[in-house]
Amino acid sequence: AQSVTQLDSQVPVFEEAPVELRCNYSSSVSVYLFWYVQYPNQGLQLLLKYLSGSTLVESINGFEAEFNKSQTSFHLRKPSVHISDTAEYFCAVYTSGTYKYIFGTGTRLKVLA
Amino acid sequence: EAGVAQSPRYKIIEKRQSVAFWCNPISGHATLYWYQQILGQGPKLLIQFQNNGVVDDSQLPKDRFSAERLKGVDSTLKIQPAKLEDSAVYLCASRAGTDSYEQYFGPGTRLTVT
Repeated sequence: AQSVTQLDSQVPVFEEAPVELRCNYSSSVSVYLFWYVQYPNQGLQLLLKYLSGSTLVESINGFEAEFNKSQTSFHLRKPSVHISDTAEYFCAVYTSGTYKYIFGTGTRLKVLA
Repeated sequence: EAGVAQSPRYKIIEKRQSVAFWCNPISGHATLYWYQQILGQGPKLLIQFQNNGVVDDSQLPKDRFSAERLKGVDSTLKIQPAKLEDSAVYLCASRAGTDSYEQYFGPGTRLTVT
């Protein structure tokens, strides 16, 4: 069965410092990978996705994630975080043929001034 | 383009009462999902519709939960009777079709069962 592991439940980081949020998945078939961000009292918003092609994908607000098939990982990184990046981040896997998404338990990013 | 709409945003009920949530997906989106998000956890799929047919309801507690998507547009999710452990945020998401992998989420309904 497919699963997604986000080992870090909380990540505190100072403003303008770099951050990496880790995501590992397990699947025996090809997958599509996603990062979603959830601000308080809001639904999830798609941050970035990997479907195919370049293994490095970027978002418009400076986040990037790299698909590593051999390590079954899709870690999210940002070189310099802002206070406004404080939110919960969810990694998700979509397995072709199942039509469904499996979400990790989330990582709460807290950016400190 | 209007996003996914959900109502109500908040609901407080006592255990054993019933409750219903409504979702209106993005116009033209064929696939609709209902998720349950318990505090501190990721969203868990309850049911998936493709147009007005059920694709997957394997994780829906059918003894108390029901959902429908009449005419393949908006959808309702009902809980009857509610239990304390049903306290969660119920998220609705829609997706254009099988060739599109992006889900769009509504703001969610926060249910508190006392």
